[in-house]
Amino acid sequence: EPEVTQTPSHQVTQMGQEVILRCVPISNHLYFYWYRQILGQKVEFLVSFYNNEISEKSEIFDDQFSVERPDGSNFTLKIRSTKLEDSAMYFCASSEQERLETQYFGPGTRLLVL
Amino acid sequence: DQQVKQNSPSLSVQEGRISILNCDYTNSMFDYFLWYKKYPAEGPTFLISISSIKDKNEDGRFTVFLNKSAKHLSLHIVPSQPGDSAVYFCAANSMYRTNTGNQFYFGTGTSLTVIP
Repeated sequence: EPEVTQTPSHQVTQMGQEVILRCVPISNHLYFYWYRQILGQKVEFLVSFYNNEISEKSEIFDDQFSVERPDGSNFTLKIRSTKLEDSAMYFCASSEQERLETQYFGPGTRLLVL
Repeated sequence: DQQVKQNSPSLSVQEGRISILNCDYTNSMFDYFLWYKKYPAEGPTFLISISSIKDKNEDGRFTVFLNKSAKHLSLHIVPSQPGDSAVYFCAANSMYRTNTGNQFYFGTGTSLTVIP
C-alpha cells in the first residue's frame, strides 16, 4: 500500500538555525499538508498546498515557515530561524482529493531545538 | 483556543469489553467530525467520520455517536481488542468552509490500552 514518507525521523538543531523537513507524498496525490504536535498537546494544522501554491495556512505558519515542492515528488517544510518553541513532531499528509478523511499521514519528524 | 477537547488523556479497558472515547467541541459551525488512530512512531490514520446530518455512523466494531445539542461525540469500540491500543484523536471542521476554512481541529488525544 502506498504511504507518505518523511525524513529525517529525528532532527536536533540549535536555536536560530534553519531546518528543512522532507516529505514524499503518495505519488498521485494533489493536496499536501503539514501539521505539528507539540509534546502533550493537540495536533495543529500548519499549511495546505495545492497546484504549487499555498491554499491555506494557520496563524502558526508565520514568515519563519515556508513550503516547497521542488521536484514534483518531494514536499518540504523549511523553518528559517528555529525557536525553542518549534520543538515538536511534524507530520506531513497528502490526499488525492480535498477531503478531510482521505488525508494520509507520514510517520512524522521529531524536531528538537536546543 | 481549544475548540475540540478530549478530557480523558487515557483509558484502560479489558479485552472484549466496550471502549468509549469522548470528545467535546465548542464551535457550533463544526459539522463534520473524524476519529483518527495513532500508533507510536506512526502518523495518524483515519478511522471513521460523521457529518452533522447523522447522529450515528457504524463501521464494523467502530461506532461514532454525535449529539449536536450537547456538542459531544463519542467513539465506541466493541469488542475491544489488544490491537486497538493506540492514541485516538477526535477532529472537527465545517464542510461548508465557513470560518474554519480548510483546516481541521484536533483534540489532544486519548490513549487507549486494551488489556488482554
